[in-house]
Amino acid sequence: EAQVTQNPRYLITVTGKKLTVTCSQNMNHEYMSWYRQDPGLGLRQIYYSMNVEVTDKGDVPEGYKVSRKEKRNFPLILESPSPNQTSLYFCASSFGAGPGELFFGEGSRLTVL
Amino acid sequence: GESVGLHLPTLSVQEGDNSIINCAYSNSASDYFIWYKQESGKGPQFIIDIRSNMDKRQGQRVTVLLNKTVKHLSLQIAATQPGDSAVYFCAETVWARNDMRFGAGTRLTVKP
Repeated sequence: EAQVTQNPRYLITVTGKKLTVTCSQNMNHEYMSWYRQDPGLGLRQIYYSMNVEVTDKGDVPEGYKVSRKEKRNFPLILESPSPNQTSLYFCASSFGAGPGELFFGEGSRLTVL
Repeated sequence: GESVGLHLPTLSVQEGDNSIINCAYSNSASDYFIWYKQESGKGPQFIIDIRSNMDKRQGQRVTVLLNKTVKHLSLQIAATQPGDSAVYFCAETVWARNDMRFGAGTRLTVKP
């Protein structure tokens, strides 16, 4: 089954404790992206990657890191999480380097205390 | 800055009625638009897209209308069903870029 898989789905952590949210897609998509979703603000792009070893900042990259060492994986790293990073995070992928239908994961709800 | 917005945050319709969800965009350079549906506890799912060289595009029970003059996008759902209850997002981008911008979303509730 074609899918985007995120882990963990739910996480409660404390300020400053490094964490990684993994994202994996099995559709051989070139493009992958991370979004955060907050009430009233819709989805905002954090980082995106057009291919292996190519990453770029989105609208809200501060406090986040990403890497794209393999085509299928695009982990989101929070080196020192803060409470304002409490949010619902979505990973997405699409076939080509240009825009098109994005396939989203189920989301990861992160709470930073 | 430029942003994608929605006219109504919530919409309630009777089962069987037609629904219209509206979206205003402000980036006149945007030439590609997508509607997504997000059900509770799930990620957004693609519904339909449209490029700026079109005014209208139809899918199964859904129609997207694009009015470039007033920078307005709408999603029409025919014969709305309880399974259509969800949050609907419009998104815009310039085809040559990869920064798809999403609106805040409209929650559609279908009453039986």
